[in-house]
Amino acid sequence: EAQVTQNPRYLITVTGKKLTVTCSQNMNHEYMSWYRQDPGLGLRQIYYSMNVEATDKGDVPEGYKVSRKEKRNFPLILESPSPNQTSLYFCASSRWTGALEQYFGPGTRLTVT
Amino acid sequence: DAKTTQPPSMDCAEGRAANLPCNHSTISGNEYVYWYRQIHSQGPQYIIHGLKNNETNEMASLIITEDRKSSTLILPHATLRDTAVYYCIVRSGGATNKLIFGTGTLLAVQP
Repeated sequence: EAQVTQNPRYLITVTGKKLTVTCSQNMNHEYMSWYRQDPGLGLRQIYYSMNVEATDKGDVPEGYKVSRKEKRNFPLILESPSPNQTSLYFCASSRWTGALEQYFGPGTRLTVT
Repeated sequence: DAKTTQPPSMDCAEGRAANLPCNHSTISGNEYVYWYRQIHSQGPQYIIHGLKNNETNEMASLIITEDRKSSTLILPHATLRDTAVYYCIVRSGGATNKLIFGTGTLLAVQP
């Protein structure tokens, strides 16, 4: 089944404790991105990647890092999480940059205390 | 990117067609109309897109007016599982491929 998977689905952590949210897609998509969704603010793009070893900042990159060493994986790294990063995170992928049919993962609900 | 306007909420009886409108009067010639939906706190789901012609797939139909200033998403036989926020997005793609979701329409399918 074609899908985007994220892990973990739920995470409660403390300020400053490094964490990684994994994202993987099995559709051989070139383009992947991370969004966060907050009440009243909609979905905002954090980082995106047009292909392996090609990543760039979205609208709200502060406090996040990403890497794209393999085509299928696009992990989101929070080096020192803070409470304002409490949010619902979605990973998405599409066949190529410019293809607006994006496929989203199920989401990761992160709480930073 | 063109701005879209959608009603904040709509109701539909189960089994009936749900017609969700979207206004995009400033759409430009190379911009597509995309529809996504988000069932409560799940990942947004792509539904359909179109440029000029009406489109149909297994999920829905998209009717775009001749002047392209508005469109309607049609769910032919709504079920309770179609209760979701539906987003109309007008985009031409681009380097960031960023999707900009507005506030959408909350469709409540009633039994």
